[in-house]
Amino acid sequence: KNEVEQSPQNLTAQEGEFITINCSYSVGISALHWLQQHPGGGIVSLFMLSSGKKKHGRLIATINIQEKHSSLHITASHPRDSAVYICAATGDGTASKLTFGTGTRLQVTL
Amino acid sequence: ETGVTQSPTHLIKTRGQQVTLRCSSQSGHNTVSWYQQALGQGPQFIFQYYREEENGRGNFPPRFSGLQFPNYSSELNVNALELDDSALYLCASSLSWGTDTQYFGPGTRLTVL
Repeated sequence: KNEVEQSPQNLTAQEGEFITINCSYSVGISALHWLQQHPGGGIVSLFMLSSGKKKHGRLIATINIQEKHSSLHITASHPRDSAVYICAATGDGTASKLTFGTGTRLQVTL
Repeated sequence: ETGVTQSPTHLIKTRGQQVTLRCSSQSGHNTVSWYQQALGQGPQFIFQYYREEENGRGNFPPRFSGLQFPNYSSELNVNALELDDSALYLCASSLSWGTDTQYFGPGTRLTVL
């Protein structure tokens, strides 16, 4: 069992739909990261959170420490949101290595 | 403030050869991490350097080694290349180790034939 698991693996949505991507982790963490990776490889950090909720534009990230679960929500999805979304955990008490989930491939169609 | 850059963009090597990949961190970032991402997989942590010292290592053999320099640049060296080393190699810099946001470079795609 991977330390960080995501669901779904693949997601297709129509423009305008509300999207949720889930992440569960099985180890103690100091922070949970949501990242976006476009074709070609570039990774952009979207959020880093250790409690509660963060919002940036149409993106919202939440985390429930007790349940070891985080969600990334995209409101009013757009084709330019199409990418792979990855959650990653920074373990507590260790060097700040990121342990990654396998990613959710999102495609938003017109 | 410049972003994180990596060179080369693409590289083709043959089995048994050695390779050096380079990363230039954002100015002021004294921590750099290297990751290997095989096709269709999430990135895997190789190691991290903090102020020119190795500060943590993932499950990679010793033929994967690194260096970090005072000018915020770093290197990943891989000796005795194997076919399974074919992957996208990403570096990420942060202000410090811990829970700081990591800023990723565009990656170097290595193909081993």
